[in-house]
Amino acid sequence: QKEVEQDPGPLSVPEGAIVSLNCTYSNSAFQYFMWYRQYSRKGPELLMYTYSSGNKEDGRFTAQVDKSSKYISLFIRDSQPSDSATYLCATDSWGKLQFGAGTQVVVTP
Amino acid sequence: GAGVSQSPSNKVTEKGKDVELRCDPISGHTALYWYRQSLGQGLEFLIYFQGNSAPDKSGLPSDRFSAERTGGSVSTLTIQRTQQEDSAVYLCASSPDAGTGGYGYTFGSGTRLTVV
Repeated sequence: QKEVEQDPGPLSVPEGAIVSLNCTYSNSAFQYFMWYRQYSRKGPELLMYTYSSGNKEDGRFTAQVDKSSKYISLFIRDSQPSDSATYLCATDSWGKLQFGAGTQVVVTP
Repeated sequence: GAGVSQSPSNKVTEKGKDVELRCDPISGHTALYWYRQSLGQGLEFLIYFQGNSAPDKSGLPSDRFSAERTGGSVSTLTIQRTQQEDSAVYLCASSPDAGTGGYGYTFGSGTRLTVV
């Protein structure tokens, strides 16, 4: 079993809808949680970074971490076609990042 | 440089040949990482270098894979006797320090390796 599990999708939503993404992880020792966005033929870029439990908001993006259930979420409000990408959750594992499989998101105009 | 630079961007090689993939990290970043991304898979950790410490090679899938980092800067990932299952995108990342809890990672655009 992978340490970070993520549904690969694809997830298709109409423009303006809320995109809801989530991951689960297995090791309760993980403290740092990240969401990366990856466009086709590009490297992942850091989107959101959170430490321990709680919410973090940045513009249209909200990241949530629930350590009691080992659940990580990302919400994208007012989605745009430019948000179409693969979104990967990740956690820091003693200096190395453990990634989920990535969810492909398609926002249709 | 301004970002992490990887070369070549694409590489097609014949089964059994050796390949070298290059990574130029961001200047001043002491930590450098190699990951592999196969179709439909997340990123798989391969190896990381932190300053002058011995590299963490725990993710290398076989002894056909090796990497070195010269002068604390440029890194080369070498795959010997390539197999078709080695076909993937090889991504390099650097960060100011390996102990940042994952913050500050910057990825390159990757080398797309195809073994035919």
